[in-house]
Amino acid sequence: EDQVTQSPEALRLQEGESSSLNCSYTVSGLRGLFWYRQDPGKGPEFLFTLYSAGEEKEKERLKATLTKKESFLHITAPKPEDSATYLCAVQAGRSGGGADGLTFGKGTHLIIQP
Amino acid sequence: SAVISQKPSRDICQRGTSLTIQCQVDSQVTMMFWYRQQPGQSLTLIATANQGSEATYESGFVIDKFPISRPNLTFSTLTVSNMSPEDSSIYLCSVESKGYTGELFFGEGSRLTVL
Repeated sequence: EDQVTQSPEALRLQEGESSSLNCSYTVSGLRGLFWYRQDPGKGPEFLFTLYSAGEEKEKERLKATLTKKESFLHITAPKPEDSATYLCAVQAGRSGGGADGLTFGKGTHLIIQP
Repeated sequence: SAVISQKPSRDICQRGTSLTIQCQVDSQVTMMFWYRQQPGQSLTLIATANQGSEATYESGFVIDKFPISRPNLTFSTLTVSNMSPEDSSIYLCSVESKGYTGELFFGEGSRLTVL
């Protein structure tokens, strides 16, 4: 059974204070590891997909990295508008092609104080 | 990126009734999924909506409770049947674009409250 564990559950930072969110996972045949941002009352907003260990992707103040067991979402010099819940999810591939749906972690609720 | 429209965006329903949620995508997609997000929780996969065949349900979800249709490559419906207060959740549609680009997109969700 695929599993995703995110830590910490909640994180409060001062504006400009960099930090990292952790996502540990187990999956049978990783097709992709996904990061999403979710604002209250909204659907998840796609951020990144990572496919193999050693891969890194960046978008503005966010950088996602991947190892064989975990992924990190690094937030550099965050601003109050970065406040949201960040969700990590894994997708397993199927032997005959296609893929399963995503297995999500519980998310990290990030608050950036001005 | 795919643009996903869900209807209704929210509804208040009576116990024992059924409600159908629609998911319309602005382009053809290969895969469509339905998720549930209970209050204060993360997302749980309900089923994969297969075009032209029965949906594939995850453990804990059954067709009688959550019948799904997918008549073409841009549209799917999820029905929540015989609702109880425990079905109060946000239901989200997700799609994988045709010609996999590594991105899975979500609609804004349908927030159901069952009284």
